[in-house]
Amino acid sequence: GQQVMQIPQYQHVQEGEDFTTYCNSSTTLSNIQWYKQRPGGHPVFLIQLVKSGEVKKQKRLTFQFGEAKKNSSLHITATQTTDVGTYFCAGPYGGATNKLIFGTGTLLAVQP
Amino acid sequence: DGGITQSPKYLFRKEGQNVTLSCEQNLNHDAMYWYRQDPGQGLRLIYYSQIVNDFQKGDIAEGYSVSREKKESFPLTVTSAQKNPTAFYLCASQVTNGYGYTFGSGTRLTVV
Repeated sequence: GQQVMQIPQYQHVQEGEDFTTYCNSSTTLSNIQWYKQRPGGHPVFLIQLVKSGEVKKQKRLTFQFGEAKKNSSLHITATQTTDVGTYFCAGPYGGATNKLIFGTGTLLAVQP
Repeated sequence: DGGITQSPKYLFRKEGQNVTLSCEQNLNHDAMYWYRQDPGQGLRLIYYSQIVNDFQKGDIAEGYSVSREKKESFPLTVTSAQKNPTAFYLCASQVTNGYGYTFGSGTRLTVV
């Protein structure tokens, strides 16, 4: 069946270092979404990418959608302790545009 | 403020009992979803509903049931048929097809 994998599963960085998580889908996606879940909390929607090769920035966060629309990445520049949490990518199931399949997630730990 | 309210936050159930998790939204969203999250893992879709009085099974619907009698409410019942119900349950809603989800704060269910 359709799968969305993320690497790495876990990343530990020193505050100020950069961080990147990669998302790979077994199928082409019409769009890719990113969510952040703080420890003990619930996922919060960050952004949606729709176009092939699209790049969007939110302050220190840079999101990219691959040319083949099967992969995506999230890069955080100069991490802060507030960046701690699990980052999930998500894409639509099959041909549907509403229900999402979530990636396996990357847990980011930031040491001050 | 608009949002999604899930209750209770923590729930303990004895084996063999059915329990119902509440999910209420005042965002006027049409679509609602139930996901299950196990420790250190991603989200798996249980059930979803696009309109009132209609819902569909997700990937792991066995042992669960839902209803959608009102636009604002999408309760999930975890039945005794669910073999491993201990998990974090997340309810989400969506305003239009293909856009980001708004999640509730979740219910942590423990079978004792």
